[in-house]
Amino acid sequence: SQQGEEDPQALSIQEGENATMNCSYKTSINNLQWYRQNSGRGLVHLILIRSNEREKHSGRLRVTLDTSKKSSSLLITASRAADTASYFCATVPYGNNRLAFGKGNQVVVIP
Amino acid sequence: NAGVTQTPKFQVLKTGQSMTLQCAQDMNHEYMSWYRQDPGMGLRLIHYSVGAGITDQGEVPNGYNVSRSTTEDFPLRLLSAAPSQTSVYFCASSSAYSGRSLNSPLHFGNGTRLTVT
Repeated sequence: SQQGEEDPQALSIQEGENATMNCSYKTSINNLQWYRQNSGRGLVHLILIRSNEREKHSGRLRVTLDTSKKSSSLLITASRAADTASYFCATVPYGNNRLAFGKGNQVVVIP
Repeated sequence: NAGVTQTPKFQVLKTGQSMTLQCAQDMNHEYMSWYRQDPGMGLRLIHYSVGAGITDQGEVPNGYNVSRSTTEDFPLRLLSAAPSQTSVYFCASSSAYSGRSLNSPLHFGNGTRLTVT
């Protein structure tokens, strides 16, 4: 079963705007991770946030985690055309050594 | 560093044929895994390994075998290919696996696109 479910599934924005994606999950987690996939390539890790953390930043990326709501969000600020990609959230359930992915979120940034 | 290397990049098989997808990493990672990616399905875990000599099943293991004789290599074998196994296959590795939890991100290869006719 899919542990992470991203919302919305597809997003189209203008360059310079912010893009926000949400992810929900069902079970208690050890950590939650966000990945980017450019067309035809492998996934690239963006941010890992642990269950005892609430927010993490990396450059133009901001991830929040709300364990009470079992949800996370990924914010990309000042988007660029190069941010066009699919974005996946993935979770490691508590006491588990498997990373379970959601179905992904396609983001198109229009120059 | 090459990172995670997958071969071949593309493969076409006939139903019933067998083949091995190769995966090698040069980062001395203990943890390695195989995923398949299908349109609209995200990535689904096939098999994974937490160290040489240790493998375990993921979400969709049927029709696939793995072995882990060395830290570097984690080949995925299709025993008798079926059209349902047409997919893009990704190998990934991770450095930190402590106790029973995966604590570090995965490093992915660029994938093998497999078509079974």
